[in-house]
This record gives sequence, C-alpha cells and structure tokens, in this order.
Amino acid sequence: GQNIDQPTEMTATEGAIVQINCTYQTSGFNGLFWYQQHAGEAPTFLSYNVLDGLEEKGRFSSFLSRSKGYSYLLLKELQMKDSASYLCAVRDSNYQLIWGAGTKLIIKP
Amino acid sequence: IAGITQAPTSQILAAGRRMTLRCTQDMRHNAMYWYRQDLGLGLRLIHYSNTAGTTGKGEVPDGYSVSRANTDDFPLTLASAVPSQTSVYFCASSDSGVGELFFGEGSRLTVL
Repeated sequence: GQNIDQPTEMTATEGAIVQINCTYQTSGFNGLFWYQQHAGEAPTFLSYNVLDGLEEKGRFSSFLSRSKGYSYLLLKELQMKDSASYLCAVRDSNYQLIWGAGTKLIIKP
Repeated sequence: IAGITQAPTSQILAAGRRMTLRCTQDMRHNAMYWYRQDLGLGLRLIHYSNTAGTTGKGEVPDGYSVSRANTDDFPLTLASAVPSQTSVYFCASSDSGVGELFFGEGSRLTVL
C-alpha cells in the first residue's frame, strides 16, 4: 500500500531551527508537496520538490531524495506564528495526492 | 479575490438527513477535489473532477456524490448522513491537476 510517515508532534524554541521529516512509499512519484495548516484553518502551500536537492524559500527550505523516499522541511528563525501542522503529500503515478497525517509543531518562547 | 468559497462553514445534522456542501471557485481552475480531514489521519480524497462534466471516485467515496455542471461549482452531497461522516470537509482546486492545490476554509459537519 501507499504510505506517508511523519512525526506526530514536535516542539521547538522561538528563534531556533527545526527539521520535519517525511518518508514515503508510493506507487510512482510525481512530486512532493509541503503544506502549512494553522488550527481551524485551511492548508496553504509551502513548497514543491520534484527533483533531488534543496529548494529554499525565505525561512523555509525543503529537501528531497527520491532514491531514499525521503524529504524534510527546514524552518529557520522560528517565530510563534510558525506554530501549526505541517502536511507532507506525494503525487503518485496516477497523479493522485497521498497525504501524511501531519506534524504538529509547537513553538515555545 | 475570493478564491474558493465553501458553505456552510459549520452544520449539525441529524442522521438520515440529506446534506449538500457547496463549493465555488473563481480562479477558473479545471480540477476540483473534496477531502475529509479527521484527527490523526491525513486528508482523504472523497471525489474529484478533472474538468467540467467529469467526476471520479477517490479513496473514500461511499455515501457521497458530486456533480460538476460547470467550471466554478463542485457540490458534495450526503444522501443519508451517518455519524461516521462527522468530519471537516475541504474543497480544493488546482489549475492543471498537477500543480499546487488551493483550499477552501472548510465545512465542519457533525452528524448526530
């Protein structure tokens, strides 16, 4: 079956750096997405990786290794507003998105 | 710019009742999706539509139906609601079906 694994919850300190990992086993691969979802709100797009390597966008970076079925989202200079759930999703060979359950990130002062 | 609008935002419904969740987008996106989100689970696809006039079943389609009469609207109907359909429902769209998804604000449905 298809599976996306990410930690359920992580805690980090304001101003620090945190890395959220995502591993996947899917039928084919056509890209990996990261979304941010604040409590009670809709998911919003953060990043997209289809080739191996690092994509940087301001304080957020996302890395992909297709051979390892692995990605991570790196958040730098953490702010209280970064407290949210972070969702990893992989587009499979049928171009359907397979979603992880999300990682709840708690930022402490 | 509204993006995607869902209605209602919240609803309590008696089991056995029929319910339609509305979804409208103004981005002229071809592809539209309905997901449900339950605690501890990833977003699960209920139904999708790659273009107006076509629909397809997702991972959890039973008990739900959709229609796509035009580009902008994609309503989700629960013919006879059951308590297991208590969830938060998100409508989403994408331009080509391979790009990023844009989500509505969600509809929180409670079936008693």
